[in-house]
Amino acid sequence: RKEVEQDPGPFNVPEGATVAFNCTYSNSASQSFFWYRQDCRKEPKLLMSVYSSGNEDGRFTAQLNRASQYISLLIRDSKLSDSATYLCVVNGGWGAGTKLIIKP
Amino acid sequence: DGGITQSPKYLFRKEGQNVTLSCEQNLNHDAMYWYRQDPGQGLRLIYYSQIVNDFQKGDIAEGYSVSREKKESFPLTVTSAQKNPTAFYLCASSLRDRYTEAFFGQGTRLTVV
Repeated sequence: RKEVEQDPGPFNVPEGATVAFNCTYSNSASQSFFWYRQDCRKEPKLLMSVYSSGNEDGRFTAQLNRASQYISLLIRDSKLSDSATYLCVVNGGWGAGTKLIIKP
Repeated sequence: DGGITQSPKYLFRKEGQNVTLSCEQNLNHDAMYWYRQDPGQGLRLIYYSQIVNDFQKGDIAEGYSVSREKKESFPLTVTSAQKNPTAFYLCASSLRDRYTEAFFGQGTRLTVV
């Protein structure tokens, strides 16, 4: 089993919809959690850290579920510009990413 | 402006030649990393360094070498021993270690023909 796993997608979502995806991890003692965004043929950029109590940044909400060992990313009112690959990082281990395509 | 600079952006080499990719940071970060990304795949760690003159192998270190003689610089050499070197190479740094936020350079796209 991989240390960090993501559904590769793609998730095809109409503009304005809400979309959520998860990232599962195997090490129950994991302490650091991040979501990154990567545009095609570009470098990853930090989207948000994930805190134990959950956190929100505008249309984006990140949550941590320690009992089930996953983190989630929720995007509300999705925009065309949200189309990208979303990568999770748990204790320095990278998921392979979930591709999101927002359709007009 | 602070950041990470990778050069060149595109690089072409003939099979059997060694090639060195440059990575410089002026963020005063202790840790630096090299990742490889193949089309449609995630990031795989090649090498990382948490302090000058010290570095550790990542998951796919075979065929690669690094040095960390200065805090700001972490060059990666792709040797002729690397069987499939064509890929997108990303350099990153973080303040302390792999548990802290990573900042990336723009990447070097290496093509070996």
